[in-house]
Amino acid sequence: DTEVTQTPKHLVMGMTNKKSLKCEQHMGHRAMYWYKQKAKKPPELMFVYSYEKLSINESVPSRFSPECPNSSLLNLHLHALQPEDSALYLCASSQLASGSSTDTQYFGPGTRLTVL
Amino acid sequence: AQSVTQLDSHVSVSEGTPVLLRCNYSSSYSPSLFWYVQHPNKGLQLLLKYTSAATLVKGINGFEAEFKKSETSFHLTKPSAHMSDAAEYFCVVTYNNNDMRFGAGTRLTVKP
Repeated sequence: DTEVTQTPKHLVMGMTNKKSLKCEQHMGHRAMYWYKQKAKKPPELMFVYSYEKLSINESVPSRFSPECPNSSLLNLHLHALQPEDSALYLCASSQLASGSSTDTQYFGPGTRLTVL
Repeated sequence: AQSVTQLDSHVSVSEGTPVLLRCNYSSSYSPSLFWYVQHPNKGLQLLLKYTSAATLVKGINGFEAEFKKSETSFHLTKPSAHMSDAAEYFCVVTYNNNDMRFGAGTRLTVKP
């Protein structure tokens, strides 16, 4: 089973709202990732968690706040977003936490976020 | 430094004809290379990966890719396109799993 699930599938929020995106995997993977993908562009890495610890933050604005409550779950808390934050947010996981070029990232279906 | 270039932003083929999606990479180290496919409003699905074993890699749905070190290429091919192959394809190079470099993507259109 190589399934990564994400909820919700779609989210519409105002600039003053607080919402959260959820990602879950039950493959025993020890690394989890958040990506942002704008239309007709490749995914851009936002955050990496290794063994439930934040290991990479790609200079993401503080209005995005990741959280990894346990090894299977990854959240992305959203607050005071801007319309330009509208995008597809993808979660991924991989088996090995430390750097390995042979590791494979498995992606979820994404959450389509619209900020009004 | 490592990077990846997808040479075509858009490829259009007729159903039943061969598919060729081109990818060149730049890497100071022995790279791992991946092809992912993304159907509209979907996540990314792994098609195949090269990790320094056999240079000809077979993937899902009849796709394959050949690693050519001398040409620094990792082109994706399929003998016969299906309508369901219409999607966005991303070539990815990685030195470690936290540093995946995506190409800009190639949109494949399949005409009936």
